[in-house]
Amino acid sequence: GAVVSQHPSRVICKSGTSVKIECRSLDFQATTMFWYRQFPKQSLMLMATSNEGSKATYEQGVEKDKFLINHASLTLSTLTVTSAHPEDSSFYICSARRLAGAPRDNEQFFGPGTRLTVL
Amino acid sequence: AQKITQTQPGMFVQEKEAVTLDCTYDTSDPSYGLFWYKQPSSGEMIFLIYQGSYDQQNATEGRYSLNFQKARKSANLVISASQLGDSAMYFCAMRGLNTGNQFYFGTGTSLTVIP
Repeated sequence: GAVVSQHPSRVICKSGTSVKIECRSLDFQATTMFWYRQFPKQSLMLMATSNEGSKATYEQGVEKDKFLINHASLTLSTLTVTSAHPEDSSFYICSARRLAGAPRDNEQFFGPGTRLTVL
Repeated sequence: AQKITQTQPGMFVQEKEAVTLDCTYDTSDPSYGLFWYKQPSSGEMIFLIYQGSYDQQNATEGRYSLNFQKARKSANLVISASQLGDSAMYFCAMRGLNTGNQFYFGTGTSLTVIP
């Protein structure tokens, strides 16, 4: 158990368009989901923490108006990159935590990632 | 503040040999968890092993073991009997159990297993 999916796995878009990435916990409920960004050969950088039913908490330096996060249910969080530009091209990874008290609730379960290329 | 340091950007190991990947950390949180993840070229993050700061014994998961030295604030990953499929990026991560849910990742170590 503890499978997290992301859709799409790869997206290419034109500069100025918006792109939505979905993160779903398939077989468990997640009150908290996380969005990371990873540039080539670099580590994962936390962008924001998403809690179901409340506003996301963004890390310093991450523009909340550019990276819109919605956590509408216990199994779905979405990241929308608005007015994407080439510098937004990156690998975006989400992760999810199980509800407190569930088995392995200390861990984060990662999605397979979404590779965004902005032309 | 939390900080994770991985000082080995790249490592090579002969197939069937053991290899140690270094990780040191810094935290003011009295209770924390340490994780190792493997990231192959496909990009997915694969959980390998977890060590809680109050765990008395070092964690082991199959060929993976974690050499946890709390006083030195180190949590090195040992991979025994390396296989070609072990070639990947390896990330050490920490979560302060009393200071929020965030994971803090090290910069990673690229491991190449040589046949």
